[in-house]
Amino acid sequence: DVKVTQSSRYLVKRTGEKVFLECVQDMDHENMFWYRQDPGLGLRLIYFSYDVKMKEKGDIPEGYSVSREKKERFSLILESASTNQTSMYLCASSPRTGSQPQHFGDGTRLSIL
Amino acid sequence: GQNIDQPTEMTATEGAIVQINCTYQTSGFNGLFWYQQHAGEAPTFLSYNVLDGLEEKGRFSSFLSRSKGYSYLLLKELQMKDSASYLCAVFDGGYNKLIFGAGTRLAVHP
Repeated sequence: DVKVTQSSRYLVKRTGEKVFLECVQDMDHENMFWYRQDPGLGLRLIYFSYDVKMKEKGDIPEGYSVSREKKERFSLILESASTNQTSMYLCASSPRTGSQPQHFGDGTRLSIL
Repeated sequence: GQNIDQPTEMTATEGAIVQINCTYQTSGFNGLFWYQQHAGEAPTFLSYNVLDGLEEKGRFSSFLSRSKGYSYLLLKELQMKDSASYLCAVFDGGYNKLIFGAGTRLAVHP
């Protein structure tokens, strides 16, 4: 079974802090994704990566950056957290072929105070 | 633009059949996925359609009409555990990404 593990289920941070969200997958998938999920808006893609050290902007990259130094790990960074970044963050991975389903982690519910 | 529409909420009775519709207008189309998401949990893959027609998988079936930009997920013999959100997502191969609808929250009552 594919396992996508996110480092925290719940996280509370303060405005202006630098926040790191970590994601690890154990299936040797090439593609990894970061989404945020907000009520009524569905999942929105922040960034994705199709290989080590490669990254592509998604639909809402502003205020975020990512790092992929190893194939199994994809980190999301909030450079200076703001209250409008309070959300559920979901990481996903998939094989290189796009028609394969993405496998999701359990999510991190992040609150910025 | 990219647009995926599905109803916000639906209710149904245990043992019944429910159909969740999804219409899409996207710049690219390389298949449509359905995911199930229970409250507080990760979305899990249900089905994938790339050709027109019906795909059946146990109690769940998914239909696609590319010419109409339309899909539906059919759930038969509903069980209480089917209460969840159902997410429709179009895969745009040109950008190698999924575009999600806002999800349909299904409540199954006894």
